[in-house]
Amino acid sequence: DADVTQTPRNRITKTGKRIMLECSQTKGHDRMYWYRQDPGLGLRLIYYSFDVKDINKGEISDGYSVSRQAQAKFSLSLESAIPNQTALYFCATSDSTGGGTQYFGPGTRLTVL
Amino acid sequence: GEDVEQSLFLSVREGDSSVINCTYTDSSSTYLYWYKQEPGAGLQLLTYIFSNMDMKQDQRLTVLLNKKDKHLSLRIADTQTGDSAIYFCAEAPLTGANNLFFGTGTRLTVIP
Repeated sequence: DADVTQTPRNRITKTGKRIMLECSQTKGHDRMYWYRQDPGLGLRLIYYSFDVKDINKGEISDGYSVSRQAQAKFSLSLESAIPNQTALYFCATSDSTGGGTQYFGPGTRLTVL
Repeated sequence: GEDVEQSLFLSVREGDSSVINCTYTDSSSTYLYWYKQEPGAGLQLLTYIFSNMDMKQDQRLTVLLNKKDKHLSLRIADTQTGDSAIYFCAEAPLTGANNLFFGTGTRLTVIP
């Protein structure tokens, strides 16, 4: 969905480096999410944010941190990247209505050597 | 967390119907979703069904929900090569933060 953008689209880095993945949305949604996708495991939630002042850990938050700089921006950081963080990372947004259909960005493919 | 299961692979011939199945464990689910992921792309919302519905049809797509068995299926009629992708089911539990719990995804291969 072009309303949700992620940068970079691809990144190769080395173990121990700090990495930031960025997400921006123009949908006007208040909720934003970060997932990682691994083959055979589906998508797993890393962090989510209801608004700028409300950030919550998801299923697999260890080794990650996030920052909600504005309603439209939600970044994911790996303070010291490790090889098992090699994955496809997706940002998603939703509004606060019931059900909360989520709209996904195109993904960032991160490789940690 | 909630458990959402799907088979990993499905192959069908072009023109046939595809049926992708999903089971889930949370009986309090509010909405159940089907997403499609094409190679190199993000997840595209295909359709969703509210938990008080049994069926929803949208052009070639039919979603069936069996709440008693906690079973969701997606039927694609007249499957085309462009339907080849990974299909994820996801459920939104009643409690929580509109989090979605995803299945592992089913890779659909359409054979010409």
